[in-house]
Amino acid sequence: SYVLTQSPSVSVAPGQTATITCGGSNIGSKSVHWYQHKPGQAPLLVVHDDSDRPSGIPERFSGSNSGNTATLTISSVEAGDEADYHCQVWGGSYDLSYIFGPGTKVTVL
Amino acid sequence: QLQLQESGPGLVKPSETLSLTCIVSGGAISSGNYYWGWIRQAPGMGLEWIGNIFYSGSSYYNPSLQSRVTISVDMSKNQLSLNLRSVTAADTAVYYCARGRPGNDNFWSGPWDVWGKGTTVTVAS
Repeated sequence: SYVLTQSPSVSVAPGQTATITCGGSNIGSKSVHWYQHKPGQAPLLVVHDDSDRPSGIPERFSGSNSGNTATLTISSVEAGDEADYHCQVWGGSYDLSYIFGPGTKVTVL
Repeated sequence: QLQLQESGPGLVKPSETLSLTCIVSGGAISSGNYYWGWIRQAPGMGLEWIGNIFYSGSSYYNPSLQSRVTISVDMSKNQLSLNLRSVTAADTAVYYCARGRPGNDNFWSGPWDVWGKGTTVTVAS
């Protein structure tokens, strides 16, 4: 089955840029979605289909996907961005599964 | 604005059946433009997809749970339900219901765009 990998944690100072990566075999051929998840809250979709932002999500959140790595970039990081970030893909027509990455904890210093 | 609210017993005994309900408000579960699902997160672990259902009743499940899971919809109550049989401590988790949006290349490949806040279920005697 398809496996996604993420670094466990990223630390960033306010105003700086956080880069979160999601690794998978030829992930560039899949659509990648990203979720922000704060303790006790519902996960929030922040980027879908590699680089599209849902309505209401700040432009500070951007995504890209190529080769074996998808990336979520948070620019001008704010304290409120501190959360776990999970990537997710659909396994495809032969693997009708939704695969999530283990999550990256973003800490704002 | 669409809202999802999970509910169910917080404590389930091993070998019994876990039953959860998700009430959908602000939108009809019978909309053919979306699908619905359950996702869970065990303590210290990542998110795990449990299964999907379309309003017509078409469903499919995580192969690792398929033998124990049933997801259903009740359009008259605008809710979906999850039954997980023969639970063990490994089923202890926060359970979320969510709405799936069609993807760009396949109906099922889109993101989970609206989530409930989740309900915690502990399996213990």
